[in-house]
Amino acid sequence: AQKITQTQPGMFVQEKEAVTLDCTYDTSDQSYGLFWYKQPSSGEMIFLIYQGSYDEQNATEGRYSLNFQKARKSANLVISASQLGDSAMYFCAMREVERDDKIIFGKGTRLHILP
Amino acid sequence: SQTIHQWPATLVQPVGSPLSLECTVEGTSNPNLYWYRQAAGRGLQLLFYSVGIGQISSEVPQNLSASRPQDRQFILSSKKLLLSDSGFYLCAWKGRREDEKLFFGSGTQLSVL
Repeated sequence: AQKITQTQPGMFVQEKEAVTLDCTYDTSDQSYGLFWYKQPSSGEMIFLIYQGSYDEQNATEGRYSLNFQKARKSANLVISASQLGDSAMYFCAMREVERDDKIIFGKGTRLHILP
Repeated sequence: SQTIHQWPATLVQPVGSPLSLECTVEGTSNPNLYWYRQAAGRGLQLLFYSVGIGQISSEVPQNLSASRPQDRQFILSSKKLLLSDSGFYLCAWKGRREDEKLFFGSGTQLSVL
């Protein structure tokens, strides 16, 4: 069955350091997409970045980049130069194109940025 | 521009009572629609999704149901709530283009007592 795994329940990182949040996925489909979302304590879901399975280049959006390793089925989020405002819950998600755009999420990683 | 409305923001219901949460989308047509539930401090569990009017895919067998009576309206219901139905319910929509992101509503915090 299709699955998203985020193995880090929580992380503590010093401000200004780079952060890597792990995400592995399991699918037998050829076409799929991977998202990362940020959820601050307000509960709002904020889109960060998207990577399609056929995209050859890693996606980047400002301080966020997605380290896509297709053979290893991993889609790690890298945040460069972390800021206090990056403290939040982060979710990895997979879009299953061949299943009517079903989108499943991992359990999330709670990131704490320390001053 | 597109917007998504979800209400109410908070709801306290007794065990055994019915539930109806409504979500509507504006500014787009034929969206994919989704209902997720998030237990306190946990991940998002996909409950239902829909690619069109009357077309509902259910992910988790439970006492919840969903309906899509109109193109941009998605309703989550229950005839009798359980304590385990407590959680943060999020509605979301997505366009049909491959790289379109999922847009979320502001959520409903449901407490079943």
